[in-house]
Amino acid sequence: DTGVSQNPRHKITKRGQNVTFRCDPISEHNRLYWYRQTLGQGPEFLTYFQNEAQLEKSRLLSDRFSAERPKGSFSTLEIQRTEQGDSAMYLCASSLTSGMDEQFFGPGTRLTVL
Amino acid sequence: AQSVSQHNHHVILSEAASLELGCNYSYGGTVNLFWYVQYPGQHLQLLLKYFSGDPLVKGIKGFEAEFIKSKFSFNLRKPSVQWSDTAEYFCAVIPPMDSSYKLIFGSGTRLLVRP
Repeated sequence: DTGVSQNPRHKITKRGQNVTFRCDPISEHNRLYWYRQTLGQGPEFLTYFQNEAQLEKSRLLSDRFSAERPKGSFSTLEIQRTEQGDSAMYLCASSLTSGMDEQFFGPGTRLTVL
Repeated sequence: AQSVSQHNHHVILSEAASLELGCNYSYGGTVNLFWYVQYPGQHLQLLLKYFSGDPLVKGIKGFEAEFIKSKFSFNLRKPSVQWSDTAEYFCAVIPPMDSSYKLIFGSGTRLLVRP
């Protein structure tokens, strides 16, 4: 399968714990996006990478959130000191360099904070 | 605030009925417009997109959308739906002059097609 993959698919954690999600984009894609989707809403933009550079972060991304893409390939999204409000589906998408190219989405990681 | 609006949150149709899902956006200037679909248990997939040119855009699986600039709308249509079209549909916009090309999504419309 050459699509975008995300791991884990599901994560249940207790409030206050740290969690880390991984996204593997389509191999030749330079752009990588993280979105968050809560129940009944569309995905909301969190952050964006061009190769290894994180070029934009949403105001939704509090100080507890950090994302990396160390070698311009896979990316990780870490949430520290999780809160119940962090419960959501975290989606990763990738695209080619041109902004006009389609963003391909992964299956998402569903986070439940107890 | 600038946004994307999908006014129909839930739509129920019988097979062979015609479909039109509304999408309005509030950005001025040149926008790029998309419809994504999420079938049950699957990831988001692109149905169609509009960047420029013919405002009537044809996508996969018989879907089409019409861009009406004066109405800030990009409604999705299908003449005859099938049970397999049961899914959630999201309208999305790349805001003008946005170098990240991030997508701004509407809240989605859940479509249930009854056989």
